[in-house]
Amino acid sequence: GAVVSQHPSWVICKSGTSVKIECRSLDFQATTMFWYRQFPKQSLMLMATSNEGSKATYEQGVEKDKFLINHASLTLSTLTVTSAHPEDSSFYICSGQSQETQYFGPGTRLLVL
Amino acid sequence: GENVEQHPSTLSVQEGDSAVIKCTYSDSASNYFPWYKQELGKGPQLIIDIRSNVGEKKDQRIAVTLNKTAKHFSLHITETQPEDSAVYFCAARFQGAQKLVFGQGTRLTINP
Repeated sequence: GAVVSQHPSWVICKSGTSVKIECRSLDFQATTMFWYRQFPKQSLMLMATSNEGSKATYEQGVEKDKFLINHASLTLSTLTVTSAHPEDSSFYICSGQSQETQYFGPGTRLLVL
Repeated sequence: GENVEQHPSTLSVQEGDSAVIKCTYSDSASNYFPWYKQELGKGPQLIIDIRSNVGEKKDQRIAVTLNKTAKHFSLHITETQPEDSAVYFCAARFQGAQKLVFGQGTRLTINP
């Protein structure tokens, strides 16, 4: 149980375009979802906390107008990277919370050319 | 501020030996401590967790111990196998918070 999926698993885009990443909880309802980014050989860096039906809470230093998060249902959250630039290239991982536990998705690798 | 320190950053052990990874946290009111295993190119996978009202928890070859007085917790893997090779992250949830604060990670290598 407690499976989280992400789509796409990898994406390559041109600089200046927008990219949407989907995160789904497959067998549980996630009132709260989290979005992280991870650079090579580094730890997980929390970008934002998303509660279903309300605005996301962004961590300090994360631009909310650049990283748009929508959590419209208990099983789906989306992250849109707007006007992507090469420095946005990273591994983006979401997690869904079931009771106290966070279950992570498989991640989405984004490469911006 | 909220902080979790994890050591060592890399650990290499012989197959069959035990591995221990340690973490310390800053907020004495923290109440939840999970451990995740991350294989290359994949998302973190929960392997074990412990809550502040418990001192030790075991699941087959994996165990976690918590010392609330010293504000540290440890992951113990016994009878290590090559498939245990991965990056392991500890985390803590500080009281009143939804989010987890992660340690820096430990790259564990099991030598056959």
